[in-house]
Amino acid sequence: GAVVSQHPSRVICKSGTSVKIECRSLDFQATTMFWYRQFPKQSLMLMATSNEGSKATYEQGVEKDKFLINHASLTLSTLTVTSAHPEDSSFYICSARSWTERAKNIQYFGAGTRLSVL
Amino acid sequence: RKEVEQDPGPFNVPEGATVAFNCTYSNSASQSFFWYRQDCRKEPKLLMSVYSSGNEDGRFTAQLNRASQYISLLIRDSKLSDSATYLCVVNWRDTGFQKLVFGTGTRLLVSP
Repeated sequence: GAVVSQHPSRVICKSGTSVKIECRSLDFQATTMFWYRQFPKQSLMLMATSNEGSKATYEQGVEKDKFLINHASLTLSTLTVTSAHPEDSSFYICSARSWTERAKNIQYFGAGTRLSVL
Repeated sequence: RKEVEQDPGPFNVPEGATVAFNCTYSNSASQSFFWYRQDCRKEPKLLMSVYSSGNEDGRFTAQLNRASQYISLLIRDSKLSDSATYLCVVNWRDTGFQKLVFGTGTRLLVSP
């Protein structure tokens, strides 16, 4: 199946620093990428949807200035958590949907990034 | 009311047992339906899509009832490796974008 690579898998940082997470589709072109956040024992919550070459669409309650998303190419999207605080500690997961499989809306997930802000 | 609702479990079953999970969704405009599996501290992985006609993949059978907005997953002959959290996932169109909405998951523990 399609592969999505997410990096880094684990980040520990100090409060106030910014953290960048990368999401790459390795063997397909991902016209749409999604960023999710999952808190312990909760479901995945969609943060934003990004289409290549355009601005991301953020879900209600997600601060676009705090969670910067860039989808500059068909194989790469980045999420930057700016001025991270302890409450931003969570499991961040990206997913990608290929143009050719868009009708099925099958999304392929990265392995996730566990962020801990001290 | 949650958009996608599941019993969180855990369901504790012995190896070889048959277990069924249910899920309800609130948006009648939902277009497609999936079961994902998520292991502890890992990303979700697609288990199977769900169709109104019902579909089977080995020991796994999924069913959709659009009228009742209800989805089910049946696992026969449970294996230890089936222990995981099973996520009910629904796709619908929202402001021009298709989005997946996840349930909180049902945890399954299969014991020897």
